[in-house]
Amino acid sequence: GESVGLHLPTLSVQEGDNSIINCAYSNSASDYFIWYKQESGKGPQFIIDIRSNMDKRQGQRVTVLLNKTVKHLSLQIAATQPGDSAVYFCALGKDDKIIFGKGTRLHILP
Amino acid sequence: DAGVTQSPTHLIKTRGQQVTLRCSPKSGHDTVSWYQQALGQGPQFIFQYYEEEERQRGNFPDRFSGHQFPNYSSELNVNALLLGDSALYLCASSWAGTRNLGYFGPGTRLTVT
Repeated sequence: GESVGLHLPTLSVQEGDNSIINCAYSNSASDYFIWYKQESGKGPQFIIDIRSNMDKRQGQRVTVLLNKTVKHLSLQIAATQPGDSAVYFCALGKDDKIIFGKGTRLHILP
Repeated sequence: DAGVTQSPTHLIKTRGQQVTLRCSPKSGHDTVSWYQQALGQGPQFIFQYYEEEERQRGNFPDRFSGHQFPNYSSELNVNALLLGDSALYLCASSWAGTRNLGYFGPGTRLTVT
């Protein structure tokens, strides 16, 4: 079946630097991939998604890259800010349900 | 525009008891999905409701059941609670006409003692 996993459970980044969070997924016919941000005490918040027929998509300060050859997904956050501190999940969408990975906690260093 | 709302915020129950959690979807959404998030883990799909019927289900026992009402709100029921049912229960809503991007509520924190 489908599964997703993140490469690192935690990531520490200097404020102002760019953050890159990586994710791998197993063989799937997923329609799309999604990144979520979850702050303490809150539900996951949608950041950006990408269809499986695309390899790059940009949003406000975020870029998602999809490499289907190696089954790898990444989220890049530009000019990381203190408010970016959270747990980030990659997920895949299949048959209208969402399958989550374990999450990477992003720490912002002053 | 209110987003997804869930009640209660926190709940403490004893093993063997039953619990009902509630969810109101985002305005304009007609599909509700429920997820269980154990501490330190990603959310796990429980089931999805559309047009008042369970449309698909994840790998959860029959102790977990649900309901959707004509106004699209939904309930999650868990019977015969186990300690392992302690988790954050998340509700996400979507509109059947578009792909599910999972607009999540804040969750209900269930503690089973």
